[in-house]
Amino acid sequence: DGGITQSPKYLFRKEGQNVTLSCEQNLNHDAMYWYRQDPGQGLRLIYYSQIVNDFQKGDIAEGYSVSREKKESFPLTVTSAQKNPTAFYLCASSIGSGTGSDEQYFGPGTRLTVT
Amino acid sequence: GQNIDQPTEMTATEGAIVQINCTYQTSGFNGLFWYQQHAGEAPTFLSYNVLDGLEEKGRFSSFLSRSKGYSYLLLKELQMKDSASYLCAVVDSNYQLIWGAGTKLIIKP
Repeated sequence: DGGITQSPKYLFRKEGQNVTLSCEQNLNHDAMYWYRQDPGQGLRLIYYSQIVNDFQKGDIAEGYSVSREKKESFPLTVTSAQKNPTAFYLCASSIGSGTGSDEQYFGPGTRLTVT
Repeated sequence: GQNIDQPTEMTATEGAIVQINCTYQTSGFNGLFWYQQHAGEAPTFLSYNVLDGLEEKGRFSSFLSRSKGYSYLLLKELQMKDSASYLCAVVDSNYQLIWGAGTKLIIKP
């Protein structure tokens, strides 16, 4: 079955610790995205990658870092510099045609709680 | 700035019809998506409109008016499983998705 997976589903960390969220897809998609979702707000783009070994900052990249060493994988690290890291994190992928009409496929999400 | 407005919450009755509106003001327009998101789960694709008019897909239809900056999602023959949030997202001039905050739809028996 093709799809996009994120692990773990729930993650708890102490303040001051870095944490890495996993995202893997076997859809052969070129483009991958990381979003943050907070209650009452729309999805906000953290980082995106349109091709292996290349990625761009989204609207709220501060305090986050990513890598794209393989087409299938796009891990997100939440660093201690992120002031309010507790949130629901969603990873997505798309074909990456660049036309804007590509449907995005989402993973099940990781709910991160930092105390 | 870029802005997408949707009602925060709507309530409807099982078997009825509901229309969820979305108005947008963005820098350019290259299409509009509707996604469904059940609580705590991933959003799933419902529709994509880039031309004016109505697109029907089973019980769900989506309408777009580019001149008015307006779209709606129409859900017919509502079922309890339709209880979810419905997200409107616009593709701007840079081909980036701008997301609305979503409309939580509550279906009552």
